Amino acid sequence: DGGITQSPKYLFRKEGQNVTLSCEQNLNHDAMYWYRQDPGQGLRLIYYSQIVNDFQKGDIAEGYSVSREKKESFPLTVTSAQKNPTAFYLCASSRQGDHNEQFFGPGTRLTVL
Amino acid sequence: QKEVEQNSGPLSVPEGAIASLNCTYSDRGSQSFFWYRQYSGKSPELIMSIYSNGDKEDGRFTAQLNKASQYVSLLIRDSQPSDSATYLCAVSGGYQKVTFGTGTKLQVIP
Repeated sequence: DGGITQSPKYLFRKEGQNVTLSCEQNLNHDAMYWYRQDPGQGLRLIYYSQIVNDFQKGDIAEGYSVSREKKESFPLTVTSAQKNPTAFYLCASSRQGDHNEQFFGPGTRLTVL
Repeated sequence: QKEVEQNSGPLSVPEGAIASLNCTYSDRGSQSFFWYRQYSGKSPELIMSIYSNGDKEDGRFTAQLNKASQYVSLLIRDSQPSDSATYLCAVSGGYQKVTFGTGTKLQVIP
C-alpha cells in the first residue's frame, strides 16, 4: 500500500534535548513538507523540500532542521532552540505540478516535559 | 487579515440535513483549493480539490468555487454522525506552498 508513515506516534522530550521525527513516503512524490498544528490554529509550515538535497524554510523554521538525502525520506529535528515545541507535527507530500495536492501522514504528537 | 478565513463553529446540523461550510481567501492569484477533513486527534484527509469556478461533486460532497468573490464552499448532503469533524480549507497560489485555514468544526446531531 502506498502512503506516508511517521514515527513515533507519541514522543516525550525533556527540555534541552534534540529529537528527530521520521517521515517516509512510498508514493514517489517529489515534494515533502513539515507542518505543526497547535490547538485553535491552522497548520503552519516549518520546512519543505521539492527535490533531494534541497529544502526551503517555511513560516516558522526557527529551532528546527531537516535533511533530504533520499526522495522517500524527510526527517525533522526539533532542537533545544525551539522555545515551545509541544505540538502535533504533520508530514505531507505531493507530486510536482499536481496543483500542490498534499497528502498527510498520521502525525507525531510531541510533548516537552 | 488572515490569508484563509473560516468560521470556527461549531456548526450543528441534524442528521440527514445539508451542511454548508464556507471559506474566504485573500490572494487573488490563488489557483488551487482544497477541503480536508480532520477527526479529533488524527491527521487531515483530503476530500475535495477544485481548480476552476463552479461546482464539483463527489458523492455526498460538493465543492463550490467563486474566484471573483474569493470564496470556496463545501456542501455535505445527507449529513451523517460520521461526518462530525473539523473541516480545513486550504488554498495554493503555486510554488508548492499551501495556506490552511483554522478549520470549521461540524457536529451532526443524530
